[in-house]
Amino acid sequence: DAKTTQPNSMESNEEEPVHLPCNHSTISGTDYIHWYRQLPSQGPEYVIHGLTSNVNNRMASLAIAEDRKSSTLILHRATLRDAAVYYCILRPSLTTGNQFYFGTGTSLTVIP
Amino acid sequence: KAGVTQTPRYLIKTRGQQVTLSCSPISGHRSVSWYQQTPGQGLQFLFEYFSETQRNKGNFPGRFSGRQFSNSRSEMNVSTLELGDSALYLCASSLGGQGYTEAFFGQGTRLTVV
Repeated sequence: DAKTTQPNSMESNEEEPVHLPCNHSTISGTDYIHWYRQLPSQGPEYVIHGLTSNVNNRMASLAIAEDRKSSTLILHRATLRDAAVYYCILRPSLTTGNQFYFGTGTSLTVIP
Repeated sequence: KAGVTQTPRYLIKTRGQQVTLSCSPISGHRSVSWYQQTPGQGLQFLFEYFSETQRNKGNFPGRFSGRQFSNSRSEMNVSTLELGDSALYLCASSLGGQGYTEAFFGQGTRLTVV
């Protein structure tokens, strides 16, 4: 599976927007970009995914670069509850299974 | 609807023993995947079961095994426990196997080997 690169850690002030970057320069044309987050002492939870176009849901927005070699997860107003490790994962469109290969992710600290 | 349920939540075992962990997926989900999470190695894929068959396997020794029952519930077994097997074990359930499929994770079983 193609590799992703994320900063180890980021900080944000509460109620401000947060932009979490992810580089995936070896992405193939059929790879989906997924984002998951893991709150302390919990299993990962789905945040958002996209293929080519930007995506919005109630949790976040996903901005995908035109060449698809990078993407940005946008939390519009960070809350203390958003403090978590955020993982950017690539998934082939045609896959024979549900294995997810997690990198090291970005640990987000939200400052009150 | 009910989420993914893992039991037990916490477990302490002695080196050399074996352990069985259980995972009940979301109703209707036929795919169950298992992961090991340690501070040093992060989240690593163990194996995936779909319709009672192992479909994919990660790079773990044969001491790690699993199975899936006809109701999609899955168990993971680790034999001859080593200290390094201490970890958070997570399972995830999914509907299918396409690239857009999302996975729903349980809260995990924290295994401590002493």
